[in-house]
Parts: sequence; structure tokens; C-alpha cells
Amino acid sequence: AQRVTQPEKLLSVFKGAPVELKCNYSYSGSPELFWYVQYSRQRLQLLLRHISRESIKGFTADLNKGETSFHLKKPFAQEEDSAMYYCALRDTGFQKLVFGTGTRLLVSP
Amino acid sequence: SAVISQKPSRDICQRGTSLTIQCQVDSQVTMMFWYRQQPGQSLTLIATANQGSEATYESGFVIDKFPISRPNLTFSTLTVSNLSPEDSSIYLCSGGKGMNTEAFFGQGTRLTVV
Repeated sequence: AQRVTQPEKLLSVFKGAPVELKCNYSYSGSPELFWYVQYSRQRLQLLLRHISRESIKGFTADLNKGETSFHLKKPFAQEEDSAMYYCALRDTGFQKLVFGTGTRLLVSP
Repeated sequence: SAVISQKPSRDICQRGTSLTIQCQVDSQVTMMFWYRQQPGQSLTLIATANQGSEATYESGFVIDKFPISRPNLTFSTLTVSNLSPEDSSIYLCSGGKGMNTEAFFGQGTRLTVV
């Protein structure tokens, strides 16, 4: 069965500190992995996807098939990064997503 | 991408009644989905809304409880029927323009059943 695990419900860091939001997945096929973000009072939006291999707002995520992980990283957190972050998986060729339970990132000044 | 307008944004309903949630997309989309997010939990897919035919429901969700309509490529509704307090959740619609494309979301409907 498809499953996405985000072990941390809350991650609290100070501004300028490095951030790593963990995501592990369970899937036997060829999944696509995503990070979605929801800022306060805004809708859920795509942050990045593994096939793009790009950095968005300073965030990067590398798919590690050996460890079945897709951790989200940023070297220097900013206060505006405070939000809810969801890791999600999608079977290649399909549209429906399987989400993790989310991690709330709180960046303090 | 596209923009999804979802309404109502929130509602408080009496048990035993029903609530219909609407999603309007500003352009045609191939796929539309409905998710539920119960308090403290992840988003769970309820069903895929198929244009012109019956929705495809995920395990644990049935049409009698969650009837869905999708009369065209830009509009869908989800009804949550015979409400009970356990139905108190956030409901989100999502759309996509084709396989392997980005999924985008409505702003969600926060339902409280009293």
C-alpha cells in the first residue's frame, strides 16, 4: 500500500538555522514525490516536485530511493517559511495524491 | 495552472442534515478530486469526480454518504449527507490538467456538525 510518513508534527527553529523536514514513503512502483505548503489562511500549494530537481524559495528535496526518503531542506530558515508542509506521493501516470500527516514549521526571530 | 474557487469556506450544520460544497475552476481540467482532512490528520482522498459519469470512490467512502456531481470540465459538487459530528472536517477539492501535471487545490471548506 502507498504510505507517506512525516514523523514530526512540529518543527521549531530560529531564523537563520538550517531546516530539514523528514518524509519517508512506502511504495513498490515508481512514485512521484511532492512537497506542498500551506501558509496561514492560504490554500494548499505545490512547493516542489522531485522530477523538477529545482530549488524553490531556497528549499530543496532529493529523492533517495534506497532510503525511500524525500526530505525537505533549507540551509537558512526565514520567518516567512513558517507554514504547514505536506509530503505527498503520486503513482506515475495518475493524478491522485497520497499525503503525509504534515509538519508545522515554526521559524522564530 | 488554474484557480479553484470553493464555497462555502465554512459552515456549521445540524446533525442529520446535508451540506453541498461547490468547486468552480477558471479553466477546463481533466481531473477533479475531493479530499477530506479530519482534525489532526492528513488529507484523505474521498473520490475522483468524473465528468458525465459516476464518481470513483476510494475504500471506505460510498456514494450514498458522499454524492458527487461533475456536469462539466470546470465544476463539481460534493454533498456530505446525513451529517454526524464525525463528519466535522475540512473538505478540499483539487484539479489537474492531465497526467503528470501539477495538482492545485481549492481553499477548503471547514465543516462543523453540531
